[in-house]
Amino acid sequence: DSGVTQTPKHLITATGQRVTLRCSPRSGDLSVYWYQQSLDQGLQFLIQYYNGEERAKGNILERFSAQQFPDLHSELNLSSLELGDSALYFCASIGGEGSGANVLTFGAGSRLTVL
Amino acid sequence: GDSVTQMEGPVTLSEEAFLTINCTYTATGYPSLFWYVQYPGEGLQLLLKATKADDKGSNKGFEATYRKETTSFHLEKGSVQVSDSAVYFCALSFSGNTGKLIFGQGTTLQVKP
Repeated sequence: DSGVTQTPKHLITATGQRVTLRCSPRSGDLSVYWYQQSLDQGLQFLIQYYNGEERAKGNILERFSAQQFPDLHSELNLSSLELGDSALYFCASIGGEGSGANVLTFGAGSRLTVL
Repeated sequence: GDSVTQMEGPVTLSEEAFLTINCTYTATGYPSLFWYVQYPGEGLQLLLKATKADDKGSNKGFEATYRKETTSFHLEKGSVQVSDSAVYFCALSFSGNTGKLIFGQGTTLQVKP
């Protein structure tokens, strides 16, 4: 167990729908990162939050959004889903600034299937 | 832009064989380099890392040396086991944001008994 918890593990939905993926970071970690793993694009960084604020953006579609709450858990919202959004979505966390735990720890992922 | 290139897989080896998975990178600055491993049905786990040129990262019998002159970070293991079967990802990040990783495409390793 990495300490990073993601729910749900599996999700099947239809095109046009909206889903929310949830992530609880490792205890003490202030930064949360979201990554997408798909067959055609590989592993791509989507977005980062640090202590509730957006810090960095990667290849995240406008239909996708995220937020980090005061208790540091994060949610990734995917809307107007398309077949191509089917992928594994990973959450990862890392220690706060100045922390010695400067290594990204990944959750087990949420597998999204869009039919 | 910054990128990581890994050798194509799958790599199929017999148990106790020597493993090399090639990784080269393109970066505008001086990145840290990582190898992550993904076992079936699991998330990524950090295998080893190196933060500056000539550093050698090692863990569980795996090694990789940060070669600035050849912009490479090849993964090696002297004797693989069936339990090493997994997907291996090479990645880089910069000190400004160590969690923002740029990954290679991954190399699948299959070890047969």
